[in-house]
Amino acid sequence: EPEVTQTPSHQVTQMGQEVILRCVPISNHLYFYWYRQILGQKVEFLVSFYNNEISEKSEIFDDQFSVERPDGSNFTLKIRSTKLEDSAMYFCASSAETGSFYTFGSGTRLTVV
Amino acid sequence: DQQVKQNSPSLSVQEGRISILNCDYTNSMFDYFLWYKKYPAEGPTFLISISSIKDKNEDGRFTVFLNKSAKHLSLHIVPSQPGDSAVYFCAASATNQGGKLIFGQGTELSVKP
Repeated sequence: EPEVTQTPSHQVTQMGQEVILRCVPISNHLYFYWYRQILGQKVEFLVSFYNNEISEKSEIFDDQFSVERPDGSNFTLKIRSTKLEDSAMYFCASSAETGSFYTFGSGTRLTVV
Repeated sequence: DQQVKQNSPSLSVQEGRISILNCDYTNSMFDYFLWYKKYPAEGPTFLISISSIKDKNEDGRFTVFLNKSAKHLSLHIVPSQPGDSAVYFCAASATNQGGKLIFGQGTELSVKP
């Protein structure tokens, strides 16, 4: 069964450092998403991406965040200067069409120290 | 602004009994509803969905009911099994609002043998 893969599974970084979280969506999917879940809280929408551009972003997705699909297969989330409150599980997801169900990756646990 | 709410953070049921997980929403534009199941350290896994043109969808032991007038949906699991123990997230999307999924806070289901 096709799956969304995320690397690394766990990333520890120092505050102020840049991190790049990587995702390989399902190959024939066209819509891509990043969500995050701070420990004990709900799964929150960060950004959606379609046709090589951001289609929607939440207020969490400020100037410190960026997404890119550099080579047609990878979909990356970059946090330019990490803060302690960025510590969370980050989930990538993809879908074949808007409004249909998403397939999620297993997540990257980001710990900012 | 919690557009999707799961008011019960946890639920405990005996194996073989019915589990009923509830979800309420406020956005009348939502037209697609989903339930995801999540184990610790894994990404959410799609379980079952329902579109707003239906009021019931069944898949094996899982049935989702939608009451549009009450803006309420529920997931019934019968019979419940210990392997069903996980966090269940309700999610909703509106096709004419970009189609992104909005998640509830989750309900942790514990099925005791």
